[in-house]
Amino acid sequence: NAGVTQTPKFQVLKTGQSMTLQCAQDMNHEYMSWYRQDPGMGLRLIHYSVGAGITDQGEVPNGYNVSRSTTEDFPLRLLSAAPSQTSVYFCASSYSTGGSETQYFGPGTRLLVL
Amino acid sequence: GQQLNQSPQSMFIQEGEDVSMNCTSSSIFNTWLWYKQDPGEGPVLLIALYKAGELTSNGRLTAQFGITRKDSFLNISASIPSDVGIYFCAGRPGTYKYIFGTGTRLKVLA
Repeated sequence: NAGVTQTPKFQVLKTGQSMTLQCAQDMNHEYMSWYRQDPGMGLRLIHYSVGAGITDQGEVPNGYNVSRSTTEDFPLRLLSAAPSQTSVYFCASSYSTGGSETQYFGPGTRLLVL
Repeated sequence: GQQLNQSPQSMFIQEGEDVSMNCTSSSIFNTWLWYKQDPGEGPVLLIALYKAGELTSNGRLTAQFGITRKDSFLNISASIPSDVGIYFCAGRPGTYKYIFGTGTRLKVLA
């Protein structure tokens, strides 16, 4: 299994540009989520999905869109990039079984908005 | 919104020393997770806790789910240089949402 994969690893955008961060998992996990990590702060939840066709907002959703057409993929779209969106973005997937659950993270996408 | 206070923010210790860190919440959690993040990498799950009072070990790491369900603790025994990194706690209040602490930056002096 490749686990959770994210592309690209690095990206530089100009203010106002749009782009899509890709996330895929091959573990058949039902739950996927996007976080952003800023210096000195923990990870903050942007959006999450509990299954194909179902998404919901997290703590900091403004400026981002998501969709979940398949179990495997959960792309994050920046509609009009702003310097405040400069951050490291992590995708995660998780499963729940027998009363336990766990969460796996991808390697991250480092985004710089000029 | 819900917040997790993680302490200490950073610590420098000598190789071989034991390390303790903790997280406290303003609300009750059903699950606590502890992660380690190395520079340039995503967080890696160390220990998961599911019941109040639960004590779980993973090698030299031991974590506990607080009785009040509002806190959790992580201990590292006999630290080694590769323990350096950022340790995060994360709590799940009852849905699929996880809330993360701000991290404890650990540096081990050989």
